[in-house]
Amino acid sequence: DAGITQSPRHKVTETGTPVTLRCHQTENHRYMYWYRQDPGHGLRLIHYSYGVKDTDKGEVSDGYSVSRSKTEDFLLTLESATSSQTSVYFCAISRTNTDTQYFGPGTRLTVL
Amino acid sequence: AQSVAQPEDQVNVAEGNPLTVKCTYSVSGNPYLFWYVQYPNRGLQFLLKYITGDNLVKGSYGFEAEFNKSQTSFHLKKPSALVSDSALYFCAVRDTGGQNFVFGPGTRLSVLP
Repeated sequence: DAGITQSPRHKVTETGTPVTLRCHQTENHRYMYWYRQDPGHGLRLIHYSYGVKDTDKGEVSDGYSVSRSKTEDFLLTLESATSSQTSVYFCAISRTNTDTQYFGPGTRLTVL
Repeated sequence: AQSVAQPEDQVNVAEGNPLTVKCTYSVSGNPYLFWYVQYPNRGLQFLLKYITGDNLVKGSYGFEAEFNKSQTSFHLKKPSALVSDSALYFCAVRDTGGQNFVFGPGTRLSVLP
């Protein structure tokens, strides 16, 4: 987890409210990723970034948006949270798109 | 499209015995293969990877994995299991033409004392 922090670590919110999760890295890696982890599904990619202001969709991007205004920060926003977005969210970083990905500690989000 | 299968949800092994966690994959090009471990309430930790070269890859904590191209497999192994190896293990793959990694569903390893 060294060099990658996520905030908040835990959050409980209500259906329909906006939620923003933050990933911060001190490694100066170009690539950053947001995954969600659900039992039986492993990790599924939500969005990723290949540079400042450069982002693209992953496998399960519906209902999520991202922003990257500087190298070290990658934000994940749920515009209007739904119960199906209850999950554990992980941020990852890598130097290149084929290099090893390193993961943050995760954020447990509960949408009531 | 890339895909990864981990055919066993759960693997139980006695401490001191060898362990194997299975992974098979499907890619259109040459694969990059990874193993990660997740301890409770933690993020994923990198164990080892295969990019090219020797089919037997050695990684952290005494783990190794064998790449078998004909069987499209990348099984994780350890000669002598420890109770502290009990965790959730994920296999991941991407191919040389793919955009991103694809993770398997995970295998829970329990090492019994």
